[in-house]
Amino acid sequence: SQELEQSPQSLIVQEGKNLTINCTSSKTLYGLYWYKQKYGEGLIFLMMLQKGGEEKSHEKITAKLDEKKQQSSLHITASQPSHAGIYLCGAPYSGAGSYQLTFGKGTKLSVIP
Amino acid sequence: EAGVAQSPRYKIIEKRQSVAFWCNPISGHATLYWYQQILGQGPKLLIQFQNNGVVDDSQLPKDRFSAERLKGVDSTLKIQPAKLEDSAVYLCASSSGGNEQFFGPGTRLTVL
Repeated sequence: SQELEQSPQSLIVQEGKNLTINCTSSKTLYGLYWYKQKYGEGLIFLMMLQKGGEEKSHEKITAKLDEKKQQSSLHITASQPSHAGIYLCGAPYSGAGSYQLTFGKGTKLSVIP
Repeated sequence: EAGVAQSPRYKIIEKRQSVAFWCNPISGHATLYWYQQILGQGPKLLIQFQNNGVVDDSQLPKDRFSAERLKGVDSTLKIQPAKLEDSAVYLCASSSGGNEQFFGPGTRLTVL
């Protein structure tokens, strides 16, 4: 079974609309990382969340971590075509201090101009 | 600051052939990771190096995959012989011991 489940698997939104991507863990979270990947390219680091209740924002992207629910959400406000890509969440399951990441399958985001 | 470099970017081989990928991490980064990303999946860790020593290779199929990091800088990942199911993007990442991993552009391998 998948340790990190992302939903939805894919998302098509109109430019300017808001959207949310969720990442749910089946195991205790010691932190949660969000990355973005363009097709055929490497991963670009977006944000890292380490504490329950932590919320971080960068430009129009906000990520939150709910440790009790073992889940994180990534919210994009007023989406733009530049936001299109695959969003991946990753978690260090080897314990606090370990940086080996287990990733979800990703959410493919398309933004229609 | 130069990012993680990988080569080649694309490789097409036939099954049972051998292939090697190269990774040059960010200067000064002691930790290096190799991931395999099959289409539609998230990256899966194959091996982690700390300097030139292996920290974890539990998910590396050692009957056909090998990796080395001589001198604790560049790293190569080899597959010999390749199978159809090895078709994937192979990602290299490095970190300075902190939380953030910096990823290279990846090598897309197609096995025919």
